[in-house]
Amino acid sequence: GESVGLHLPTLSVQEGDNSIINCAYSNSASDYFIWYKQESGKGPQFIIDIRSNMDKRQGQRVTVLLNKTVKHLSLQIAATQPGDSAVYFCAENNAGNMLTFGGGTRLMVKP
Amino acid sequence: EAGVAQSPRYKIIEKRQSVAFWCNPISGHATLYWYQQILGQGPKLLIQFQNNGVVDDSQLPKDRFSAERLKGVDSTLKIQPAKLEDSAVYLCASSLSRLARETQYFGPGTRLLVL
Repeated sequence: GESVGLHLPTLSVQEGDNSIINCAYSNSASDYFIWYKQESGKGPQFIIDIRSNMDKRQGQRVTVLLNKTVKHLSLQIAATQPGDSAVYFCAENNAGNMLTFGGGTRLMVKP
Repeated sequence: EAGVAQSPRYKIIEKRQSVAFWCNPISGHATLYWYQQILGQGPKLLIQFQNNGVVDDSQLPKDRFSAERLKGVDSTLKIQPAKLEDSAVYLCASSLSRLARETQYFGPGTRLLVL
């Protein structure tokens, strides 16, 4: 079936640098995407979402970019901090509010 | 506001035994979800409830898994009998509704190890 996936399983960045986490999706009909952050021992936590009528959406230190032409989205984290260390998932929100998650990228922040 | 509560946090059982997990969603949330998260993977939806009714259970292995939300609030997920491949984190989430793509809030999960 259709699925959402990620390119890089692990990303290591220096504290203070910017981080970019990528995600590819296969369902061209997908119209709503969400990024979740999951810290060790915790459940996923909503970060930011974007609908297909937008190319970019900004939050506090985070930006999500959506490229519908190549079915790709990315999460940018500005001035990465140690507290940003976690696994990040992109998820496709399907009809009926059902989420399809990708495999996740582990972000490691070096002090 | 209290978040989604789950118990127990950890459970170790032997294969062929049974186990049950409990979830208390955020107050007022009509929709409740159970996910299975195998180590190194993203969560996979098992079942979705709207109030006390099942909306979707297409990914639930019904020969061994069952879930209920009798009064439309708390929910239990049961596995009987458990297999080794059931070792995973079982996450419960809730949202205000399912119609408007409301944000899903996740609990901390129950980590199950089947030996």
